[in-house]
Amino acid sequence: QSVLAQPPSVSGTPGQRITISCSGSRSNIGSGQNVHWYQQLPGTAPKLLLSHNNIRPSGVPDRFSGSKSGTSATLAIAGLRPEDEADYYCQSHDTTLGASVFGGGTKLTVL
Amino acid sequence: QVQIQQWGAGLLKPSETLSLTCAVYGVASSDSYWSWIRQSPGRGLEWIGKVTHYGSTAYNPSLESRVIISVDGSANHFSLRLRSVTAADAGVYFCARSTADVNFYMDVWGKGTTVTVSS
Repeated sequence: QSVLAQPPSVSGTPGQRITISCSGSRSNIGSGQNVHWYQQLPGTAPKLLLSHNNIRPSGVPDRFSGSKSGTSATLAIAGLRPEDEADYYCQSHDTTLGASVFGGGTKLTVL
Repeated sequence: QVQIQQWGAGLLKPSETLSLTCAVYGVASSDSYWSWIRQSPGRGLEWIGKVTHYGSTAYNPSLESRVIISVDGSANHFSLRLRSVTAADAGVYFCARSTADVNFYMDVWGKGTTVTVSS
C-alpha cells in the first residue's frame, strides 16, 4: 500500500474533464506539505506535470491544474486528449517517515 | 537544456551490490540536488535518496542501511550503490534532478535502467 492513495484507473472521452485524487494523511499532505504531480507515458520516465500543488512547468498546457484541501490533493485535466492517456502519480513529503513518498499511480484511459 | 544519461549493470545475483551512475549535461551539478528513484510493479515509485554537489546526502530510511549515493562534481557525475540486493530490489532505477527543499520535486529525469536480480 502506498502512503498516498490514488484510484488505480480513471477514464474519459475526448473533450471531457476528469479528476484524479491523491489521499494522504496528517503526516504528509495534511501537515501542509506540497503535492507534485507526474505524467508517465509507457516505457518512459515520469515527467513533472505540476509542482507545489498547482504550478505548471514551462511547456505543460493549462488544461492541467491541481488543488489541495485538507489531507487530499486533486489533479484535473480539462479538454481531454488521446495523448493524455498515461499513468499519473502524486508525490509529497511524509514527516513521520522522513522521506518523499509517491502515490500508487492512476492509469488514465481516453476512450 | 539539462540532460541526464545513466548507465550501470542491469543483471545482478542476490547479495551483490547494485552500482549505477548518472552524468549531467547542460548544467553544473553544483546548481542542483540529484536523486535516485526506483519503480517496480510491486512497490510503485520509491524515492531512494539524494545528494548535493558537496556530497551531502539524504536517504529514504527504509533503504538507508544499504545505500550510498555519492557525487563526482568535477565530472558532473553522481552514483548509486545498493548492497546486498534481493529480488525485491528489481525494477527500473531512475536518476533525476531535484530541488533543494525538504518537500522537493524532480524536474529532469534520466531514461531509467532496468535492474534484474536473479541467481
